[in-house]
Amino acid sequence: AQKITQTQPGMFVQEKEAVTLDCTYDTSDQSYGLFWYKQPSSGEMIFLIYQGSYDEQNATEGRYSLNFQKARKSANLVISASQLGDSAMYFCAMREGRNTGNQFYFGTGTSLTVIP
Amino acid sequence: GAVVSQHPSRVICKSGTSVKIECRSLDFQATTMFWYRQFPKQSLMLMATSNEGSKATYEQGVEKDKFLINHASLTLSTLTVTSAHPEDSSFYICSAKIPGRRNTIYFGEGSWLTVV
Repeated sequence: AQKITQTQPGMFVQEKEAVTLDCTYDTSDQSYGLFWYKQPSSGEMIFLIYQGSYDEQNATEGRYSLNFQKARKSANLVISASQLGDSAMYFCAMREGRNTGNQFYFGTGTSLTVIP
Repeated sequence: GAVVSQHPSRVICKSGTSVKIECRSLDFQATTMFWYRQFPKQSLMLMATSNEGSKATYEQGVEKDKFLINHASLTLSTLTVTSAHPEDSSFYICSAKIPGRRNTIYFGEGSWLTVV
């Protein structure tokens, strides 16, 4: 089974609207970390937000928030007040265990297009 | 299960030696693979685009003689860090596109390189 599943290959959102990008994960570890990355056309993968499995509150970073529902094993990214510069690929990722040297598992990505 | 496999997941090498990291696509042929390196703040920097049967395209600032990329077959790309130095210690991850599927990219599990 896939460790990370992103079911939306492509999404469109009107500028200034909010958008939710879906991510579900599969792990039997109690300790894990969830990440979201943005990949603009430059190819670089830009870190957006992190949620630890023991964090009780949803992570927020500026216009980005992570809707963490542990029982459902979902970690959706919410982008508020979308901007044209938000158009990019978005990847959800997970790292199992406490060791930062552990493997990353990435989803297949969601292409977000912000419409003026 | 994994569709892109990366090996080794962890490697320690002595300063001055070379180390090879492999990236394999398991269930598909990948004409294009990408190599990333993780820097602080969790961003993954695109190092190069590996094209089967031709020379890799390196991003600006990446030393092509130091980071040798070989994409000898449709299922294998290798990254060789030559004359490794401690500052090359990092997390390296590859990804591959499925031909004909624009928004689907698979990532390997990543490789942690420590140069001592």
